[in-house]
Amino acid sequence: AQTVTQSQPEMSVQEAETVTLSCTYDTSESDYYLFWYKQPPSRQMILVIRQEAYKQQNATENRFSVNFQKAAKSFSLKISDSQLGDAAMYFCAYRSEEGANSKLTFGKGITLSVRP
Amino acid sequence: KAGVTQTPRYLIKTRGQQVTLSCSPISGHRSVSWYQQTPGQGLQFLFEYFSETQRNKGNFPGRFSGRQFSNSRSEMNVSTLELGDSALYLCASSLEGASDTQYFGPGTRLTVL
Repeated sequence: AQTVTQSQPEMSVQEAETVTLSCTYDTSESDYYLFWYKQPPSRQMILVIRQEAYKQQNATENRFSVNFQKAAKSFSLKISDSQLGDAAMYFCAYRSEEGANSKLTFGKGITLSVRP
Repeated sequence: KAGVTQTPRYLIKTRGQQVTLSCSPISGHRSVSWYQQTPGQGLQFLFEYFSETQRNKGNFPGRFSGRQFSNSRSEMNVSTLELGDSALYLCASSLEGASDTQYFGPGTRLTVL
């Protein structure tokens, strides 16, 4: 079974600075998808970024980018120019490409606070 | 396009009762998945429905069940509620299969007293 580990329960960043959130995963599969979701206090889960394992190029979405290291099974999220609105819980998630399995396996999450 | 909607947003029930939660996916999405979120266990997958059929199931007791209608709307039911069922229940929809991103609804907060 696949597992996702987020070892840092909390992180803090100064507004306008850059922060990196870590995530590692364990799988025996070669094709899969990785995601970062953000959950603000409203509890609505919002997709931040998505990475296909077969793509070597790291995904980017505006101020958000990932460092995907397939061999190391590492998938970190970098937030540049942090804003107060980035304060939330961030979840790393894995999904297999095998069959029609849409199940997401989540890490425990990391709470990010942004200092003004 | 309207996002995923879930009703009700909040529920309070007592032990032994049953509850039904509803989820309306994004228009055109045919897959609906359900997740339970608790402080202790985090986010756990309950089940997924596609074309009115359960396609995948998580490790939850049979008290948890669901269904999907022809318009892709889905319901989940929890019978004989226990205190430990208190959680945020999240529904997510996607177009069809594993390659499609899941989009989440705002969740239903269930409190069991």
